[in-house]
Amino acid sequence: QKEVEQNSGPLSVPEGAIASLNCTYSDRGSQSFFWYRQYSGKSPELIMFIYSNGDKEDGRFTAQLNKASQYVSLLIRDSQPSDSATYLCAVNPRGDMRFGAGTRLTVKP
Amino acid sequence: DADVTQTPRNRITKTGKRIMLECSQTKGHDRMYWYRQDPGLGLRLIYYSFDVKDINKGEISDGYSVSRQAQAKFSLSLESAIPNQTALYFCATGRAGEINEQFFGPGTRLTVL
Repeated sequence: QKEVEQNSGPLSVPEGAIASLNCTYSDRGSQSFFWYRQYSGKSPELIMFIYSNGDKEDGRFTAQLNKASQYVSLLIRDSQPSDSATYLCAVNPRGDMRFGAGTRLTVKP
Repeated sequence: DADVTQTPRNRITKTGKRIMLECSQTKGHDRMYWYRQDPGLGLRLIYYSFDVKDINKGEISDGYSVSRQAQAKFSLSLESAIPNQTALYFCATGRAGEINEQFFGPGTRLTVL
């Protein structure tokens, strides 16, 4: 079992829709959880982090964490074509970082 | 100026050659990391360092070595490059603390023929 698993996609949504990205992790000792966005040919950039159970909202982005289910998700409301990218889930189990393989999102105008 | 820089940005080399990738940062962070990225596999941690005297192996350290020359500099070496080390390599930095978010450099595209 991979330490961090994401739905492989690709995921395609129409402009204005909600995009839902999911991630599960195996290490129950993980304390913090991250979502990075990576445009093609570019480096990953942090868009959200969460470390408490529940929801955390930042503009059009909402991260959700359920430690009991070892599940973290990212919702993107009112999706825009500029949101088209690969989204990487990452967890921080022991001070280092483990990344999922990423989900490619395409938002169609 | 970029906070995290990597040199070179692109490199083509031959099997068996020694290669060094360099990373410098002006963010003042103590922690530095090297990752490689392959299609379908995401980012995998090679080595990381929490301060100048600290070096730790990541998931895939075989075939690689690192040197932390200063707080701001962390280099990755491939002692004898092989074709399956062809990948995109990223350096990242981070602060100590509860959250431990990381900031990535622009990447080095390495091709081993």
